[in-house]
Amino acid sequence: ETGVTQSPTHLIKTRGQQVTLRCSSQSGHNTVSWYQQALGQGPQFIFQYYREEENGRGNFPPRFSGLQFPNYSSELNVNALELDDSALYLCASSLVENTEAFFGQGTRLTVV
Amino acid sequence: GQQLNQSPQSMFIQEGEDVSMNCTSSSIFNTWLWYKQDPGEGPVLLIALYKAGELTSNGRLTAQFGITRKDSFLNISASIPSDVGIYFCVSSYGKLTFGQGTILTVHP
Repeated sequence: ETGVTQSPTHLIKTRGQQVTLRCSSQSGHNTVSWYQQALGQGPQFIFQYYREEENGRGNFPPRFSGLQFPNYSSELNVNALELDDSALYLCASSLVENTEAFFGQGTRLTVV
Repeated sequence: GQQLNQSPQSMFIQEGEDVSMNCTSSSIFNTWLWYKQDPGEGPVLLIALYKAGELTSNGRLTAQFGITRKDSFLNISASIPSDVGIYFCVSSYGKLTFGQGTILTVHP
């Protein structure tokens, strides 16, 4: 059984650019959620995907978007990057009927 | 929105000591989760609680789901250096809502 894997592990982008982060869910899990964790804070919910549809969204602007694929893997896209988007981005997978979520190691995004 | 108040914010203890941290909310929840996060890593699930009053152990860790369903606590017995990290209480209502975290430092 493989766990949640994210790529890349680190990324540096320039303000105004666009970025795509990727996540492979744990085997058998059909729900993927994305979280943003700023330095010194707890993770904040961005959105959740179930059966390739967005199934809940946190307080993030539309330039944060996502996709879920038939194999339950997922992408997080962020357009028009801002300096405040610098953070650790975490992907978590779960069974929709089970709230226990398992996290990947995260992608550290730095916007300069 | 939902807010979790986790305390203490940080703890400095000696190896072998017991640790206690708690989490409260103004809202009622059906699920409490406790996670641990090491630097540069994703959070790791320690204990999941699904029933008011439930007391669950995982090795040296024990967590309880408060009777009012508005609070939870986590105890760590006989701490060891690898217990160092940030501990988060998490409520689950569709999405996961994280507390501010308790930073635990263990001195050998």
